[in-house]
Amino acid sequence: AQTVTQSQPEMSVQEAETVTLSCTYDTSENNYYLFWYKQPPSRQMILVIRQEAYKQQNATENRFSVNFQKAAKSFSLKISDSQLGDTAMYFCAFTAGDMRFGAGTRLTVKP
Amino acid sequence: NAGVTQTPKFRILKIGQSMTLQCTQDMNHNYMYWYRQDPGMGLKLIYYSVGAGITDKGEVPNGYNVSRSTTEDFPLRLELAAPSQTSVYFCASRPSGGLNQPQHFGDGTRLSIL
Repeated sequence: AQTVTQSQPEMSVQEAETVTLSCTYDTSENNYYLFWYKQPPSRQMILVIRQEAYKQQNATENRFSVNFQKAAKSFSLKISDSQLGDTAMYFCAFTAGDMRFGAGTRLTVKP
Repeated sequence: NAGVTQTPKFRILKIGQSMTLQCTQDMNHNYMYWYRQDPGMGLKLIYYSVGAGITDKGEVPNGYNVSRSTTEDFPLRLELAAPSQTSVYFCASRPSGGLNQPQHFGDGTRLSIL
């Protein structure tokens, strides 16, 4: 079975600082895709960033970047220059067919 | 561009009642999904569809049914509501073209069974 684990239920960071959210997954598949979704209090699910497993280069989207370690089955999200609007639940997700989500990390950005 | 639209946004049901959660998308996506999100948890897949007329079970299908008669619509049916089905339900869709295509989510339906 494919599982996704987010070991940090809650995190906080000061505005303008950098924070890293952890995610590990378990799979026997070789071809798969990884995503980070953001869920603000409005409850919308918003795609933050995605990574193809066959790509060695880490994905980057503006202030968001990932550290993808395929051998370690690790997929962490780094948020640079944190902003108040980054306050949200963050979900790591994995797919090789069905999408599997982690339990989430609640991130609070403090002014 | 409406994207994925879910109705209703909120609903309270009594135990044993039935209801249908509606989901429609206007992006001509072949793939559609239903998830539930319990408090403090991630999303779990209930059912999915790869195109009109084709549906399949996800991780937690018990107590639910779906149909997909058109590309646009993917309703989720609860036949005999139980308190364990109290949750927030999300519908999502994605285009064909590979698993790297991100899913587009509706705003969710908060359902309480009392």
